[in-house]
Amino acid sequence: AQSVTQLGSHVSVSEGALVLLRCNYSSSVPPYLFWYVQYPNQGLQLLLKYTSAATLVKGINGFEAEFKKSETSFHLTKPSAHMSDAAEYFCAVSDLSGNEKLTFGTGTRLTIIP
Amino acid sequence: DTAVSQTPKYLVTQMGNDKSIKCEQNLGHDTMYWYKQDSKKFLKIMFSYNNKELIINETVPNRFSPKSPDKAHLNLHINSLELGDSAVYFCASSQFLAGTDTQYFGPGTRLTVL
Repeated sequence: AQSVTQLGSHVSVSEGALVLLRCNYSSSVPPYLFWYVQYPNQGLQLLLKYTSAATLVKGINGFEAEFKKSETSFHLTKPSAHMSDAAEYFCAVSDLSGNEKLTFGTGTRLTIIP
Repeated sequence: DTAVSQTPKYLVTQMGNDKSIKCEQNLGHDTMYWYKQDSKKFLKIMFSYNNKELIINETVPNRFSPKSPDKAHLNLHINSLELGDSAVYFCASSQFLAGTDTQYFGPGTRLTVL
């Protein structure tokens, strides 16, 4: 079964600094991978997804992620953090059996320091 | 226009009661989901329906019963509520794309069982 591991339940960065949120996957076949963001008291919103096309995926709000098969990773980055980026970020992997099941990581809370 | 809506937003009730949460999507999607997010923000799928047919039924107590009267609605009924049922419940919808579809989440229903 596919799974994802998010390293670091809390990450703090200064405003304007690089954001790096880590996600490693476990899958016996090339997976479909997603990053979702949850702002306080809201539902989840898709940031970006990897579906076996380009390995560097660009998403909304200046975020991007690179699929690295050799490292089984799909880390999320943003060159310059904004205060509005403060949120909970979830990495997820799609079940390839065709039932659209997403398995989420445990989440990383991103705090932006002014 | 709200894409995925849930009612109520907050639900406070006593142990042993029966309650329902309603979900509606106006995106024309054919697949809908229920997720449970616990106090540590861990998000886990409970059920999903595709064209009103149950396709995912995770290990959930049979006190939880989803019902899909049509493709745009997926309700969750919970019998004999327990303290451990306290959580935020998210509804989501997507258009089936063999694992690559984007799921759109509702704002969540915070259930508190006293």
